[in-house]
Amino acid sequence: AQKVTQAQTEISVVEKEDVTLDCVYETRDTTYYLFWYKQPPSGELVFLIRRNSFDEQNEISGRYSWNFQKSTSSFNFTITASQVVDSAVYFCALYYGQNFVFGPGTRLSVLP
Amino acid sequence: NAGVTQTPKFQVLKTGQSMTLQCAQDMNHEYMSWYRQDPGMGLRLIHYSVGAGITDQGEVPNGYNVSRSTTEDFPLRLLSAAPSQTSVYFCASRSGGTANEKLFFGSGTQLSVL
Repeated sequence: AQKVTQAQTEISVVEKEDVTLDCVYETRDTTYYLFWYKQPPSGELVFLIRRNSFDEQNEISGRYSWNFQKSTSSFNFTITASQVVDSAVYFCALYYGQNFVFGPGTRLSVLP
Repeated sequence: NAGVTQTPKFQVLKTGQSMTLQCAQDMNHEYMSWYRQDPGMGLRLIHYSVGAGITDQGEVPNGYNVSRSTTEDFPLRLLSAAPSQTSVYFCASRSGGTANEKLFFGSGTQLSVL
């Protein structure tokens, strides 16, 4: 069965600190896709990144970076030099078949 | 571009009442779905549809009904509301063209059942 685990329920950091959000997934499929979504306090869900199982290259987008490791079934998300606007709930998700399964989310609080 | 539009944004029901959450998308997406979000549980799939006239159950379908008569609309019906259905509901759609297409979400409906 497909499953996504985000073991960190809540994280608090001080502005400008780096922070890594962990995501571990389970699937028996050889082809799958992984996603990260952000949910700011306003409540909407914002797409951040998608990665397919054949592409293990790390990706960097500004202060955001993602580390995909098939050997450990992990797709971790790092925010460098965090800012208050990064405060949100972050969801990792696995796409399989036709649907998505989401992790429970990690609430990140960035304090000024 | 409106994207995915959900109404209402907030709703309070009494136990046993029925209601329909509306969802419409203007992106000609084949796939539409409903999720509920509860603290500590992420988003759980209620029902989904891969095209007009086709619907299927997700992880938590009990107490909910859906239909898909047009590509644009995918309403979610609560047949007899229960306090356990207090949650935030999200409608989402995506293109069915390729497997890795992202989900587009509506703004959510906060439902309280008393």
